[in-house]
Amino acid sequence: GQNIDQPTEMTATEGAIVQINCTYQTSGFNGLFWYQQHAGEAPTFLSYNVLDGLEEKGRFSSFLSRSKGYSYLLLKELQMKDSASYLCAVRRPSGAGSYQLTFGKGTKLSVIP
Amino acid sequence: DADVTQTPRNRITKTGKRIMLECSQTKGHDRMYWYRQDPGLGLRLIYYSFDVKDINKGEISDGYSVSRQAQAKFSLSLESAIPNQTALYFCATSDKRGGRYNEQFFGPGTRLTVL
Repeated sequence: GQNIDQPTEMTATEGAIVQINCTYQTSGFNGLFWYQQHAGEAPTFLSYNVLDGLEEKGRFSSFLSRSKGYSYLLLKELQMKDSASYLCAVRRPSGAGSYQLTFGKGTKLSVIP
Repeated sequence: DADVTQTPRNRITKTGKRIMLECSQTKGHDRMYWYRQDPGLGLRLIYYSFDVKDINKGEISDGYSVSRQAQAKFSLSLESAIPNQTALYFCATSDKRGGRYNEQFFGPGTRLTVL
């Protein structure tokens, strides 16, 4: 089976830094995505890692260690609008050269003043 | 703007009714997906299609069927709705030609309630 774990909820203070962890055990791996989802809205793409290391994109960074089955999303200079759920998703082979995403249950981040 | 749209956005129905949720996209993507999202369970893949003649089951396809009428349209049907199909349903698209990330783009969602 596929297993992707991330904390259910986190709270952080405006202006601070927060790290959201994701561990995975999947049959096959072809990259890891982070999506942001505001309540009642569609998920939107944040970042992608396929090789080990850190990818930086403005206030957001994502790290991957394939040997440890581990990723994290780092959010700096938190703003109130960053209050949302953050979804970790692993892309894995689904046969015939195609891929599908398997999502974790998401981490609900609350940013407080 | 190229987009992914879903109709209806909200639907309340009764147990046993047949329901169709529709998804259209103007992104020119060949790949389309249906997910459901439940509190505490995350997004789960129902069906996906990589072109008009291709339909594949996801992890929770029982009780659902799909139709890919054209490259731009992918419909999800509940033949006989039951209360545990109450959920938020998302359609998504991606492009096999990729680009750097080959990420999926999600529609706005359909909130379905089965009484």
